[in-house]
Amino acid sequence: AQTVTQSQPEMSVQEAETVTLSCTYDTSESDYYLFWYKQPPSRQMILVIRQEAYKQQNATENRFSVNFQKAAKSFSLKISDSQLGDAAMYFCAYETNFGNEKLTFGTGTRLTIIP
Amino acid sequence: KAGVTQTPRYLIKTRGQQVTLSCSPISGHRSVSWYQQTPGQGLQFLFEYFSETQRNKGNFPGRFSGRQFSNSRSEMNVSTLELGDSALYLCASKRSAKETQYFGPGTRLLVL
Repeated sequence: AQTVTQSQPEMSVQEAETVTLSCTYDTSESDYYLFWYKQPPSRQMILVIRQEAYKQQNATENRFSVNFQKAAKSFSLKISDSQLGDAAMYFCAYETNFGNEKLTFGTGTRLTIIP
Repeated sequence: KAGVTQTPRYLIKTRGQQVTLSCSPISGHRSVSWYQQTPGQGLQFLFEYFSETQRNKGNFPGRFSGRQFSNSRSEMNVSTLELGDSALYLCASKRSAKETQYFGPGTRLLVL
């Protein structure tokens, strides 16, 4: 079974600075998807970024980028120019590409932005 | 395009009762998945439906069931509620395999 580990329960960063959230996963599969979702106090789960395992290029979405290390099974999220609206729980998630349409989530990292 | 909608948003029930939650996926999305989120267990997969068929089920007791209608709307039902069923229930939809799941706002269930 696949597992996703987020070893940082809480992180904080000064506004406008850069922060990196860590995620590792365990799988025996070679083809899969990785995601970062954000959950603000409203509890709405919002997609931040998606990475396809067969793509070596790291995904980027505006201020958000990932460092995908497939051999190390590592998938970190970098947030640049942190803004107050980035404060939220961030979940790393894994989905296999073999018809098993379920997301396996990590335990989350609570990110606080310091003004 | 409208997002995933869930009703009701909040619900209070007592032990032993049953509850039905509803999820309307994004237009054109045929896959609907349900997740339970609790402080102790985190986010756990309940089940997934595609074209009215349950394709995948998580490790939950038979008290948890679901269905999907021909318009892709889905319902989940929890019978004989227990205190531990208090949680945020999230619904997510996707168009097809290899697509991304998009989540609804969730239904907060409190069992007293």
